[in-house]
Amino acid sequence: GAGVSQSPSNKVTEKGKDVELRCDPISGHTALYWYRQSLGQGLEFLIYFQGNSAPDKSGLPSDRFSAERTGGSVSTLTIQRTQQEDSAVYLCASSLGHGAYEQYFGPGTRLTVT
Amino acid sequence: GNSVTQMEGPVTLSEEAFLTINCTYTATGYPSLFWYVQYPGEGLQLLLKATKADDKGSNKGFEATYRKETTSFHLEKGSVQVSDSAVYFCALSQTSGSRLTFGEGTQLTVNP
Repeated sequence: GAGVSQSPSNKVTEKGKDVELRCDPISGHTALYWYRQSLGQGLEFLIYFQGNSAPDKSGLPSDRFSAERTGGSVSTLTIQRTQQEDSAVYLCASSLGHGAYEQYFGPGTRLTVT
Repeated sequence: GNSVTQMEGPVTLSEEAFLTINCTYTATGYPSLFWYVQYPGEGLQLLLKATKADDKGSNKGFEATYRKETTSFHLEKGSVQVSDSAVYFCALSQTSGSRLTFGEGTQLTVNP
């Protein structure tokens, strides 16, 4: 079956612009996660959804970052007024549910802020 | 808070050599432990996992044992292949929560 998909695969934007990153989880997976992979910080957790609600958004680095999930499926991560330090690969993962289920990762969106 | 520490890389080995990548963790309670692998140009994939003390996870010739007394989950393989060249990440998740906390990653290069 289809895995986790993310779009776009690459995004180049100018500093100060807003960007939206999309994640399509595996069908039937109720849990969805966003992570960020950058050279200086490694792999960092951003936010976790169970269904459409986000019980853990403690990893969002600032109020410029927000995310939503609709219909228990697609999720969008929005970064407002992008800064150069936002440049990273943004990874989405999904799993069957809460707890120690395997998380399946998408290929990521590489964001470059110029 | 939770944290994961991996041995510093990069690691370069010859084919058929023995591999150990050290991983230690700090967490409250009884976390689940994972090794993820990222092959060149590909996404993160789960390699193996262990959910309680003394459990051994294994896959594709790789093994790791959950050692609570030493808070470690070292990755081993008896004979590496060129195709094992990748970045390996140790990670944990609390049983009461779902986020993964990752180590820094270890780049492994296996030469023929």
